[in-house]
Amino acid sequence: GEDVEQSLFLSVREGDSSVINCTYTDSSSTYLYWYKQEPGAGLQLLTYIFSNMDMKQDQRLTVLLNKKDKHLSLRIADTQTGDSAIYFCAEQNGNTPLVFGKGTRLSVIA
Amino acid sequence: EADIYQTPRYLVIGTGKKITLECSQTMGHDKMYWYQQDPGMELHLIHYSYGVNSTEKGDLSSESTVSRIRTEHFPLTLESARPSHTSQYLCASSDQGTGRGETQYFGPGTRLTVL
Repeated sequence: GEDVEQSLFLSVREGDSSVINCTYTDSSSTYLYWYKQEPGAGLQLLTYIFSNMDMKQDQRLTVLLNKKDKHLSLRIADTQTGDSAIYFCAEQNGNTPLVFGKGTRLSVIA
Repeated sequence: EADIYQTPRYLVIGTGKKITLECSQTMGHDKMYWYQQDPGMELHLIHYSYGVNSTEKGDLSSESTVSRIRTEHFPLTLESARPSHTSQYLCASSDQGTGRGETQYFGPGTRLTVL
């Protein structure tokens, strides 16, 4: 089946930028997503990008998509302690269920 | 604010018991999902439904069953709980429109411990 890979941990200092990377295998992915999970809660959609786009920006969040390399990244500018959470990359082909990565735990050091 | 609810939030039961985890949403979404989440974070899709009377098994082999008799309700049942079922169970719903991505709204989860 299709696979989504991401590094498990990332640690950054408050105020720095965070970059979380993700690779996927499905060349027919239609949408790619970033979800955030805070402790004791379910996941929450942060942003998504359509596969024919290269970049999407939403306030402090920038998503970059390299479709040729099947690489997706999420950049968080001016990272705050409240950004500490687990971030999940996911891909979707058409109307099929999302395929999630294993999650990257972001720790922000004050 | 997502209107999706899961009960109970925490459950500790003995081996062999039958349990039902409840999930309800008030958004009228056709799509609903059950995920099992490892302590190490990874999500596994165990069941999903794209509408009333429609259910499918997910990627992770599971001894659980689901039903979808009403749009808003998607309960998960374990006929005979075992310690290997100890996990966090997350329910989600979504309404994917044409030309836009699928926003899945997640419930807060049920943390199940089987002794």
